[in-house]
Amino acid sequence: GESVGLHLPTLSVQEGDNSIINCAYSNSASDYFIWYKQESGKGPQFIIDIRSNMDKRQGQRVTVLLNKTVKHLSLQIAATQPGDSAVYFCAENGGSNYKLTFGKGTLLTVNP
Amino acid sequence: DAMVIQNPRYQVTQFGKPVTLSCSQTLNHNVMYWYQQKSSQAPKLLFHYYDKDFNNEADTPDNFQSRRPNTSFCFLDIRSPGLGDAAMYLCATSRGVGRDLRRELFFGSGTQLSVL
Repeated sequence: GESVGLHLPTLSVQEGDNSIINCAYSNSASDYFIWYKQESGKGPQFIIDIRSNMDKRQGQRVTVLLNKTVKHLSLQIAATQPGDSAVYFCAENGGSNYKLTFGKGTLLTVNP
Repeated sequence: DAMVIQNPRYQVTQFGKPVTLSCSQTLNHNVMYWYQQKSSQAPKLLFHYYDKDFNNEADTPDNFQSRRPNTSFCFLDIRSPGLGDAAMYLCATSRGVGRDLRRELFFGSGTQLSVL
């Protein structure tokens, strides 16, 4: 079936470096994408979203890039901090107004 | 602060003993969801309510049921928990607005269910 997946299950970076987390999706009907951060023992927390009519969106220290041609999504975190250590999930809506399907997640570890 | 609240934080039940997990929201969102998340896996949607309309995912076992008595509360009932049902159960809400106004889901902190 159609699904959202991540290329890298783990990513380890040094504090202050930039991080890039990648995601591949396969449902061509998806027109809305979200990145969530999940810390251990907590629920997912919204980071940033992007609609399919955009290819880039920036937030505070985060940027999401969308390449619809190759069905690829990435999350860039600038000046990564220890507090950024968590599992990051991409999610897509499959064309739905209000349903999200999550990818497998990437564990980001930030070393001081 | 407006939020999604799940109780209890941890729940232990016995194999085959019915259990109910609770979720409440102060966001006044019209859509409420239940996701199951097993260790090191992505959250998996079980079902959702759009207002009072219940929407079950095709692969959600019959063992899982849900109730939404009003806008603020939603319950997950597991009729006969098996060992494979041990997981984190996440409740989420969204405003469920129209196609041009996609919005994110707001998650609670989850209930970690153990089955002995």
